[in-house]
Amino acid sequence: NAGVTQTPKFQVLKTGQSMTLQCAQDMNHEYMSWYRQDPGMGLRLIHYSVGAGITDQGEVPNGYNVSRSTTEDFPLRLLSAAPSQTSVYFCASSYEVNTEAFFGQGTRLTVV
Amino acid sequence: AQTVTQSQPEMSVQEAETVTLSCTYDTSENNYYLFWYKQPPSRQMILVIRQEAYKQQNATENRFSVNFQKAAKSFSLKISDSQLGDTAMYFCAFMKHGHAGGTSYGKLTFGQGTILTVHP
Repeated sequence: NAGVTQTPKFQVLKTGQSMTLQCAQDMNHEYMSWYRQDPGMGLRLIHYSVGAGITDQGEVPNGYNVSRSTTEDFPLRLLSAAPSQTSVYFCASSYEVNTEAFFGQGTRLTVV
Repeated sequence: AQTVTQSQPEMSVQEAETVTLSCTYDTSENNYYLFWYKQPPSRQMILVIRQEAYKQQNATENRFSVNFQKAAKSFSLKISDSQLGDTAMYFCAFMKHGHAGGTSYGKLTFGQGTILTVHP
């Protein structure tokens, strides 16, 4: 059971570089989301998707783009990395609208 | 907007003893869900327990139980017979009831987290 798979697990970027954090789930879940975890702030929602072709902004969307071309994949793009985006990023999925989220193992991103 | 507050940044407990982690929340919603997630040093987020707001009975999962006080907007987690493997960061989370078929989504709002250390 792979569950929710995030790649890479660690990444260092220079300011201004771009990259994509990958997220894939094999549970046929409709709902997927991205959170960032910062010390003292818990996890905050960046973007979410309620199905293929449908995405929307969460609490902290600035500087991030997403797309959902398939049910399985939900990549998060940083177009021009900034030090403020240094964080741990989590992808999550859930099979119904009112059920708990299953999380990936996270990506620790450092922007220097 | 919903807010979730965990007022205890750190807690410690001796192995085999009981500890209670506090969580309060603020919402104008009547239908919602509350969760406790555990994050061990591996960083994995693990669901510990879930409570539906419409249920008066407190949820239990083995050594884990909650004290859900809807009027007071309080949702504490009690860990009985603490084990070394319980050492982790614990997050309280709120989710408003969502409606399937539309763009509504059960977004999670998290508290700041409580670091729990279990000592041998």
